Amino acid sequence: TQLLEQSPQFLSIQEGENLTVYCNSSSVFSSLQWYRQEPGEGPVLLVTVVTGGEVKKLKRLTFQFGDARKDSSLHITAAQPGDTGLYLCAGDPGAGSYQLTFGKGTKLSVIP
Amino acid sequence: DSGVTQTPKHLITATGQRVTLRCSPRSGDLSVYWYQQSLDQGLQFLIQYYNGEERAKGNILERFSAQQFPDLHSELNLSSLELGDSALYFCASSVGLAGGREQFFGPGTRLTVL
Repeated sequence: TQLLEQSPQFLSIQEGENLTVYCNSSSVFSSLQWYRQEPGEGPVLLVTVVTGGEVKKLKRLTFQFGDARKDSSLHITAAQPGDTGLYLCAGDPGAGSYQLTFGKGTKLSVIP
Repeated sequence: DSGVTQTPKHLITATGQRVTLRCSPRSGDLSVYWYQQSLDQGLQFLIQYYNGEERAKGNILERFSAQQFPDLHSELNLSSLELGDSALYFCASSVGLAGGREQFFGPGTRLTVL
């Protein structure tokens, strides 16, 4: 079973600060997805990274896929209260696998 | 709004009972996935259906079963409920067969077993 470890588990920061959360595995994934989930709602897809070393930007969010496709990071610049939520990474093992492996998430609170 | 609908939003029942959760995928999506989310286990994949056929099984208990109907909606049946089954249950859908494709999640059903 492929596992994804996310860190930190909890993060509480002040509005305007920068932060990075991590998603690590000992396994290789063909792609990796990041989702954000707000309380009482389902996860919403933010981005998919496919190529080792790939960097994608979504406004103030920067996503990077590790060169070996085993890890990923999410960096948020100048965090805002609207960024509050649970950030989940999910890996696609590829090779005909039909299921994503999810990390347990990083719960981010941005304090105004 | 992801386009995936789930009913009911909340469900409260007693141990030993049986419940059915319903999911309608996005228009055009053929794959439906069911997940269980609890505080300690995170989001756990249960089962996937593609165009009416079971395609992948994850950590689904034998007390749980699912099916996908010709109109592509899906139902997750949970029986002989235990306290530990209390969780959020999500349905997701995607266009194709491969689970790695982008999945769109519904709002979830919060199940409370008393």
